[in-house]
Amino acid sequence: EVQLVQSGAEVKKPGESLKISCKPSGYSFTSYWIGWVRQMPGKGLEWMGIIYPGDSDTRYSPSFQGQVTISADKSISTAYLQWSSLKASDTAMYYCARHQAGGRSGYYGDVWGQGTTVTVSS
Amino acid sequence: DIQMTQSPSSLSASVGDRVTITCRASQGISNYLAWFQQKPGKAPKSLIYAASSLQSGVPSKFSGSGSGTDFTLTISSLQPEDFATYYCQQYNSYPPTFGGGTKVEIK
Repeated sequence: EVQLVQSGAEVKKPGESLKISCKPSGYSFTSYWIGWVRQMPGKGLEWMGIIYPGDSDTRYSPSFQGQVTISADKSISTAYLQWSSLKASDTAMYYCARHQAGGRSGYYGDVWGQGTTVTVSS
Repeated sequence: DIQMTQSPSSLSASVGDRVTITCRASQGISNYLAWFQQKPGKAPKSLIYAASSLQSGVPSKFSGSGSGTDFTLTISSLQPEDFATYYCQQYNSYPPTFGGGTKVEIK
């Protein structure tokens, strides 16, 4: 069974750094893209970016370029989403998902993690 | 970016009703469209990809159709477990973009 297990909820202060994780199982980690999706409280889904763990090819949505960093560690089959300096507006639920490719560099998530809640408040 | 517009944004329906949700793309996306179901407090679940292909394990009461700019998700006979928010997403071009969601509520 394919599963993606994310790290637990985080409460941080503005300006702090944070790295959340996503650990898939049930398939070859290096053979599929893993992407991240944001959902702000009471709002819809926003696609953030994606990484191919096999060669670390990473792509960001223009809306999130420079705001976050996506990475992966093949040795422990884990993907990450990190912030160097959090803002209150980063408060949201963050989902990782295994992605399939299609179209002209398009991707969609076929299996999703359970989500990580990030709360940024002074 | 391609804009995805869902309608309606919410609807009320009864158990057993046939429900149709529409998704329109701001430009042609061929059949590179996915549908997701999200229940309160839960992660999204993939239902359909390539506009009309059912994900493994998804019941056949869900169906999708369309190509180009106009797409539909149909639930043939609404059951209590189907009350949720549904999202479409295009993956024809970069970056992938989601519709605003359709909340299906109990009448």
